[in-house]
Amino acid sequence: QSVLTQPPSVSAAPGQKVTISCSGSSSNIGKNYVSWYQQVPGTAPKLLIHENKRRPSGIPDRFSGSKSGTSATLAITGLQTGDEADYYCGTWDSSLSAGVFGGGTKLTVL
Amino acid sequence: QVQLLQSGAEVKNPGASVKVSCKVSAYMLSKLSMHWVRQTPGEGLEWMGGFDAAYGETIYATKFQGRVTTTEDTSTDTAYMELSSLRSEDTAVYYCTTGVQYYDVNDSRVYWFDTWGQGTRVTVSS
Repeated sequence: QSVLTQPPSVSAAPGQKVTISCSGSSSNIGKNYVSWYQQVPGTAPKLLIHENKRRPSGIPDRFSGSKSGTSATLAITGLQTGDEADYYCGTWDSSLSAGVFGGGTKLTVL
Repeated sequence: QVQLLQSGAEVKNPGASVKVSCKVSAYMLSKLSMHWVRQTPGEGLEWMGGFDAAYGETIYATKFQGRVTTTEDTSTDTAYMELSSLRSEDTAVYYCTTGVQYYDVNDSRVYWFDTWGQGTRVTVSS
């Protein structure tokens, strides 16, 4: 059972927009910064977003992050078939003194 | 650009220990905060522990305390993660990863991982 809650799956058509939610509590998302990772099955995770909304160099602006209260959201616009992957949110939990991740969301581009 | 190269797959009996290595290239291990994250079959990511720059010490998830030990050899820029008393539930892919951890002026934790190894599959089976 993951500390952060994500929907198991989302789907949308190419060119459309999709959002992935990540719900936590006051000790994790409510207090600390959120990061997002993309993982193509069989490969290592890749950092997409850090500090709630900042993109590392090389990440297209189709990917954006936001945070409000104890929830965070990853938005992907202009969906491409290459975006099909699992997406994870992560942060620090100050009560657990531990890094925590969501259970992951599988994105299907129909 | 920092690169992390992990050791190969392992098969272990229950009760045994496994030691996974992570070689750093194009940077100095001593300047990095190395952490370990695992992914069990069909499950998500699970943070195990590592050197935390914000605390200036190695910290472990409560779940693994007493069973996990992370070490670093700065002469070879290689980090190690050893997990003991293995059980079937430890069957997973283990990743080394580096990133950023610190507290901002509001005491909020900045915490993310930007470089990952390719993963090491550990299978625990009799």
